[in-house]
Amino acid sequence: SAVISQKPSRDICQRGTSLTIQCQVDSQVTMMFWYRQQPGQSLTLIATANQGSEATYESGFVIDKFPISRPNLTFSTLTVSNMSPEDSSIYLCSVEEGATGANVLTFGAGSRLTVL
Amino acid sequence: GQNIDQPTEMTATEGAIVQINCTYQTSGFNGLFWYQQHAGEAPTFLSYNVLDGLEEKGRFSSFLSRSKGYSYLLLKELQMKDSASYLCAVRDGNYQLIWGAGTKLIIKP
Repeated sequence: SAVISQKPSRDICQRGTSLTIQCQVDSQVTMMFWYRQQPGQSLTLIATANQGSEATYESGFVIDKFPISRPNLTFSTLTVSNMSPEDSSIYLCSVEEGATGANVLTFGAGSRLTVL
Repeated sequence: GQNIDQPTEMTATEGAIVQINCTYQTSGFNGLFWYQQHAGEAPTFLSYNVLDGLEEKGRFSSFLSRSKGYSYLLLKELQMKDSASYLCAVRDGNYQLIWGAGTKLIIKP
């Protein structure tokens, strides 16, 4: 299965600042997915990043707050902009592998952000 | 709305068997997944069910009943390393993944 390198693994950030999370995949993939996991809660999909086009955002998430880049088929970044304590969470990137419907998600190790 | 329910936390004894239940209500169904997530780590894939019945994979088995909107993950011969959160996820009629909040499993010696 694909191997995903995600960084930073954790960071402590000040309110009002922005942080960019990077994900590198060891193979070419069409779509990369960005998730948020708040303590004790479900994984929530933020957006789907396709190479060569704008990311598709889920309800409740906007590009101004979570800009995404996808410059090639192996790399993507997610920026958390103008952070507030409510953005404290684990952010995960992932890719799908396998047949349609039975696609299995492989995740990066996650980025744990704490906003003070 | 779409919903997945699973217990928040369960405790079991090393060497025993534990069953983690998951019930779902989704608009359409295209498969159910179980993932394991150790504390501070990423989720990893355990099993996939799309047809009714039991899928066995070593010490882990997963069962699905589509008519009841119900699945369970069965863990046998529990080991301390099985202490983790277990996430149930359903792919709905639009192939979107809906995630449960996860069940934290605590294994005691």
